[in-house]
Amino acid sequence: DQQVKQNSPSLSVQEGRISILNCDYTNSMFDYFLWYKKYPAEGPTFLISISSIKDKNEDGRFTVFLNKSAKHLSLHIVPSQPGDSAVYFCAATVDNDMRFGAGTRLTVKP
Amino acid sequence: DSGVTQTPKHLITATGQRVTLRCSPRSGDLSVYWYQQSLDQGLQFLIQYYNGEERAKGNILERFSAQQFPDLHSELNLSSLELGDSALYFCASSAAGGKEKLFFGSGTQLSVL
Repeated sequence: DQQVKQNSPSLSVQEGRISILNCDYTNSMFDYFLWYKKYPAEGPTFLISISSIKDKNEDGRFTVFLNKSAKHLSLHIVPSQPGDSAVYFCAATVDNDMRFGAGTRLTVKP
Repeated sequence: DSGVTQTPKHLITATGQRVTLRCSPRSGDLSVYWYQQSLDQGLQFLIQYYNGEERAKGNILERFSAQQFPDLHSELNLSSLELGDSALYFCASSAAGGKEKLFFGSGTQLSVL
């Protein structure tokens, strides 16, 4: 039951360029969305979130966009840095249930 | 350091056996979540506890059970282990268990041989 989908297992970008990570969801009841970043041998760490009443949230180099009609959200990283290389998980929540996507491995090349 | 402690970090056992994974949440957090990450899979939600009570249940097998104790630490019990149970098990905590961000431990790598 994959209610949150990240269809791109991996993404490679050049340092300084934009990274765009995508996420789709099927449950229209989700009302809060989060992105987490995970380095090897560590647990995921929170990156940025957005409420369903907004369509954009920005925090430094990271911006999350939400398109409710398309049930789609994306994470933009500008400019990308080698230290951003990690696995990024999209998550969606309703009530007490937080569901995660399969993750996208981002590689930023110097 | 997220403040969430998981033990042990690695566990190797045989099929049919039973293991217990332990999680200590961040100080003050009342809610504990358990997730399973298999190879090339996302984080599969297993179960959530809030202040000792089960609050939400995900794709948790009947062979698995969990509980949260009065001191708020939690244990995930996995029994009749199968090869397919080999995975990374994460515990996460949050203050209230609603829409807030989760703080994850470093995980327990379980290998069933």
